[in-house]
This record gives sequence, structure tokens and C-alpha cells, in this order.
Amino acid sequence: DAKTTQPNSMESNEEEPVHLPCNHSTISGTDYIHWYRQLPSQGPEYVIHGLTSNVNNRMASLAIAEDRKSSTLILHRATLRDAAVYYCILRSYGGSQGNLIFGKGTKLSVKP
Amino acid sequence: NAGVTQTPKFRILKIGQSMTLQCTQDMNHNYMYWYRQDPGMGLKLIYYSVGAGITDKGEVPNGYNVSRSTTEDFPLRLELAAPSQTSVYFCASSSVDRGSGYTFGSGTRLTVV
Repeated sequence: DAKTTQPNSMESNEEEPVHLPCNHSTISGTDYIHWYRQLPSQGPEYVIHGLTSNVNNRMASLAIAEDRKSSTLILHRATLRDAAVYYCILRSYGGSQGNLIFGKGTKLSVKP
Repeated sequence: NAGVTQTPKFRILKIGQSMTLQCTQDMNHNYMYWYRQDPGMGLKLIYYSVGAGITDKGEVPNGYNVSRSTTEDFPLRLELAAPSQTSVYFCASSSVDRGSGYTFGSGTRLTVV
């Protein structure tokens, strides 16, 4: 199974950009890179996903390395509401390999 | 759209009791999933389904059963509840497009005493 490595925790100041790293050195060519976040006492929430090119949406940006062995989730201006656990997950192709397997994620703290 | 709806939100069971956690989605998603999350840990996949009538085991299926008679509903059955099943349970759904995201329910917090 392709796996990801993330720092256990990170801190940020409110209204500053946050770069959350993820290493996935064993990624295969058909794996999508997904990011989810989980706010306290809530279910996970989809943030963004990508395959090869950088992606932007209203919540965040995803920067994918050229060799795809790492990626970075970018929150452009952190707010207190962005304090959550962020999960970087590879979604493989077909059958059970298409299921999301969660690691421990990165706990992001945002200071006012 | 309601998305993914889970009931109940909270439940306390006695050891040996049984219950069904309900999950329904209104997005016409083919894929549905059940996860559990123990305190301070990530989510573990219990069972999943790729369509009505088709279910399969995930990482931690022991002590649970599922059925998928319709596209919308994916109930999780706990037989003979044990303290080790105390957890928060999340249901999720997704389309067949593996590039699409999952939609999660708000969870059921279960305590077995």
C-alpha cells in the first residue's frame, strides 16, 4: 500500500500562510493525492485533490512536486477555524485500493 | 442536499447488546464506507460497498456486519457489543470517480459499558 508521511503537528499565526507538507515516495502513477481535514468533534471534510498538476480551490492550494514524491497543502491565510487535523492520503486505482486509508495526520494549531 | 446522514448521534450500549447504526446519502453515490475513530487516532475502515448488493471487509471488520440493499442506505450492525467497540463511527460516500472526494457524515458516538 502506498503510504504518506506527515509531521505530527504544526503551528501557525492567524492570517499568515500555512504550508503543510506530505511525503509519498512510493506513490504510483495512477494514485491521486487527496487532502482532508477534521475539525474538533466533526467528521472529516474534503479539502482538495490532485494528480500531477498544482490545484487551487476556494479552500486551499495543492502544490505537487514534479516527481510526485511529495506535496504541500497551502492555506493562504490561516484563520482560527482552520485549526484541525489535516490528512494527506493517496487514493489508488480500483477495488479496495480505491479506499481512503487514513494515517494520523498533522494537527494544525492557529494562534490569534 | 442533505449529503450523508447518520443516526443516532449518540448511544450508550450495555455489553452484549446489539444495535444498528443508520447511514443514508442522497447524492446517488455508488461507493459507501464505514469508519471508526478511537480517541486521538486516525480513522480505520470497517466495511465498504461499491454498489447495492456488494459489500466487502476493510481493516477492522470483526464484530460488525453490513448490508446494502439500496444505493442510498448502508447500515452497520453491531452484534454482542463489547467495550472495545466504544468509538466514534463515521459513514462516508463517494462517486465512482477516484479523483472525487468523499463526503462524510457527522458521526455516531458509541459507548459500550
